[in-house]
Amino acid sequence: AQSVTQLDSQVPVFEEAPVELRCNYSSSVSVYLFWYVQYPNQGLQLLLKYLSGSTLVKGINGFEAEFNKSQTSFHLRKPSVHISDTAEYFCAVSRYEKLTFGTGTRLTIIP
Amino acid sequence: DVKVTQSSRYLVKRTGEKVFLECVQDMDHENMFWYRQDPGLGLRLIYFSYDVKMKEKGDIPEGYSVSREKKERFSLILESASTNQTSMYLCASRAQINQPQHFGDGTRLSIL
Repeated sequence: AQSVTQLDSQVPVFEEAPVELRCNYSSSVSVYLFWYVQYPNQGLQLLLKYLSGSTLVKGINGFEAEFNKSQTSFHLRKPSVHISDTAEYFCAVSRYEKLTFGTGTRLTIIP
Repeated sequence: DVKVTQSSRYLVKRTGEKVFLECVQDMDHENMFWYRQDPGLGLRLIYFSYDVKMKEKGDIPEGYSVSREKKERFSLILESASTNQTSMYLCASRAQINQPQHFGDGTRLSIL
């Protein structure tokens, strides 16, 4: 079985500062990894995905993530955040049919 | 762009009622999913469907059933609604295994 841990439930960051949202997973086999964003009162939107190839993955809105197989991590980063990045972020791992989500990290941007 | 449409954004029902949540996707996707989202618990899979008339239980199927009579439509049914089913319900679709899932905007369901 696979599982996902998002260590931080809330992350406050000053505007234009960098941010890292942490995600660790456990799985006995190779998996595919995703980050989703949920803006208030909306569904989930795909930020980026890792299926294979380069371990540094670039997504929408200036976000990127790095897949680290030895540490079983897939942390999300952005060098400079904006007020519009205020949202909840979910890491997810997929193996065949099911997608398993972490419990989410609420990113709050401080003006 | 993939469009997943959930029929209601907000719904209020009474305990014991039979409740239908509808979801339609426009990209001819094979797979469809129903999740519920609760604070601090993330998204939990209720049911999913690989194809028309096929369904599989997810992690929390108790108290729910589903119907998929047409490829584009996947319905979630609360047979006899209870207050602990008050939640945000999200529908998703996917072209094939290990491809990203595309989500609707969700239905916030309150059971009184």
